[in-house]
Amino acid sequence: DIQMTQSPSSLSASIGDTVTITCRADRDIQNYVNWYQQRPGKAPRLLIFAASNLHSGVPPRFTGGGSGTDFALTITNLQAEDFATYSCQQTHSTPETFGQGTTVGIK
Amino acid sequence: QVDLQESGPGLVKPSETLSLTCIVSGGSISSSSFHWGWIRQPPGKGMEWIGSVYYSGTTYKNPSLQSRVSILVDTSKNQFSLKLTSVTAADTAMYYCARLRDTLTAAGHYVRFFDFWGQGVLVTVSS
Repeated sequence: DIQMTQSPSSLSASIGDTVTITCRADRDIQNYVNWYQQRPGKAPRLLIFAASNLHSGVPPRFTGGGSGTDFALTITNLQAEDFATYSCQQTHSTPETFGQGTTVGIK
Repeated sequence: QVDLQESGPGLVKPSETLSLTCIVSGGSISSSSFHWGWIRQPPGKGMEWIGSVYYSGTTYKNPSLQSRVSILVDTSKNQFSLKLTSVTAADTAMYYCARLRDTLTAAGHYVRFFDFWGQGVLVTVSS
């Protein structure tokens, strides 16, 4: 199975900050990475697909990048509703695997 | 707007079978454009893909769970289901159902992602 390693596992930030979460695959997965947001008690939400494509309805302050083994999710101008857990997922090979998640908390 | 809702017991005894249903509304489960999947997340851990099903009944399962998992689709009720046999405490998790979409990118290759999710149901395995 392809292992996806996210970092950091958690971070603290303030409203208006820019934060970057990274995800590293243990082999080349081209651009087959998606990013999801989870808020407590809410359904997970797709943010980015194929590494850099913004899903419909997602604010442009979310951007994704990377290819090969290294990927990043950047949130600019952090808003109150962005304090949540973020997970990457690879869909290059079955079984599709997820990172362990990064929790963005309020500083 | 597609909506998915999981239902099933929140407590299952060890060695028994976990059974969950996902009801889909706002869209047809028989659409040829989508698969339908189950994902779980143990407390404090990352998510794990369990498996997916197409409206025809074709399934794809995580090899680590394959021998214990069955996923069925009921197009007449617009729902699909998960059965996981011989459960242990390690199967305690939040279980999600989701729609899996394949999309052709501008670069000319297909990518897939879970674009709509249910809120999840917490299943605890305990006697």
